[in-house]
Amino acid sequence: DAGVTQSPTHLIKTRGQQVTLRCSPISGHKSVSWYQQVLGQGPQFIFQYYEKEERGRGNFPDRFSARQFPNYSSELNVNALLLGDSALYLCASSILPEANTEAFFGQGTRLTVV
Amino acid sequence: KNEVEQSPQNLTAQEGEFITINCSYSVGISALHWLQQHPGGGIVSLFMLSSGKKKHGRLIATINIQEKHSSLHITASHPRDSAVYICAVSPPADKLIFGTGTRLQVFP
Repeated sequence: DAGVTQSPTHLIKTRGQQVTLRCSPISGHKSVSWYQQVLGQGPQFIFQYYEKEERGRGNFPDRFSARQFPNYSSELNVNALLLGDSALYLCASSILPEANTEAFFGQGTRLTVV
Repeated sequence: KNEVEQSPQNLTAQEGEFITINCSYSVGISALHWLQQHPGGGIVSLFMLSSGKKKHGRLIATINIQEKHSSLHITASHPRDSAVYICAVSPPADKLIFGTGTRLQVFP
């Protein structure tokens, strides 16, 4: 069974551009969460989606948006990229959205903004 | 002050040594997670626990809910254990809160 898959694995963008990151959860998992991990820090929560509805949003500007599709895959969009958006973006899936449900992480997408 | 604090931040050990990584948190939780992150980024869930102790191979995780403290132990450490170990807590009905991680290097 495939784990959580994210694409692309690496990405370089210039300031002001827009980026779309993709995540496919483990089969049967209906909850997807997105995290941003800046170098040397722990991951920070961005969004959680469950059954195509937004269940939670972290302290990120409106330039960050996401959605979940009927097959439970998800996209994270970031507009008007800033240098500070350079980070590893992690996706995690779980069967349920409750925080005490085990989450499974993807390999991440490393975004570099130049 | 971070809601999840880990110590030490960096740890080096010789192969075979017993290793302990500590995690203290300041919020009420329904579960605590220990995660392993290798260079390249991917995160693997090692343990999720809400009380007591869990063991998987050479890894042992303990939690003391009253003291808001958890430890991850690695027995007979090996160079392949070199990674960043992250503690994360699950407040009830809320998102995961992560510590900044402990970077472990085990030398042969």
